[in-house]
Amino acid sequence: KAGVTQTPRYLIKTRGQQVTLSCSPISGHRSVSWYQQTPGQGLQFLFEYFSETQRNKGNFPGRFSGRQFSNSRSEMNVSTLELGDSALYLCASSLNVVDGYTFGSGTRLTVV
Amino acid sequence: AQTVTQSQPEMSVQEAETVTLSCTYDTSENNYYLFWYKQPPSRQMILVIRQEAYKQQNATENRFSVNFQKAAKSFSLKISDSQLGDTAMYFCAFMSSTGTASKLTFGTGTRLQVTL
Repeated sequence: KAGVTQTPRYLIKTRGQQVTLSCSPISGHRSVSWYQQTPGQGLQFLFEYFSETQRNKGNFPGRFSGRQFSNSRSEMNVSTLELGDSALYLCASSLNVVDGYTFGSGTRLTVV
Repeated sequence: AQTVTQSQPEMSVQEAETVTLSCTYDTSENNYYLFWYKQPPSRQMILVIRQEAYKQQNATENRFSVNFQKAAKSFSLKISDSQLGDTAMYFCAFMSSTGTASKLTFGTGTRLQVTL
């Protein structure tokens, strides 16, 4: 079966712009989570959605937001981009979170 | 807040040998879940093995096994018969079973190199 699909794979944006990243979970998975991965901070939890509701949120500024659609697809948005937002953004989906998540290959965002 | 510590930034092992990656964590909870994820250069995080804290038996998945010491809050990963394809970053992760369930807290990772 298809895995978790993230688009685009790579993205270059200018400081001050906004960006939207997309994630299509495995069919049937209703939980979708987002993580930011940087060399300095490692893997950090952004938020988790379940059945279109944000169920859990990490410690990121309000510039980071997300949503989930009725088909479980999810998007995350970052407004007013800063250089420090350059990172690999990973999406993960799960049927039952305590069984673990399946991750996508990520979107590499570079802010210049 | 829970923390996860991986004290070995890099490790190297020869093909066919056995290697153990260390992980310790800090929590006041009694029930929780622990995971090892592998991240090869392709960037995709792959679930290697999971352990439920209320189960005393150590989890095993083929060549991968864990040594779970709940009292010591230790969760090490043993890779037997190492293969070149095991070369990757390995992350230990914690998930609560309570209010913050669904959030994974990761360690900083151990870079494993398997050599000929």
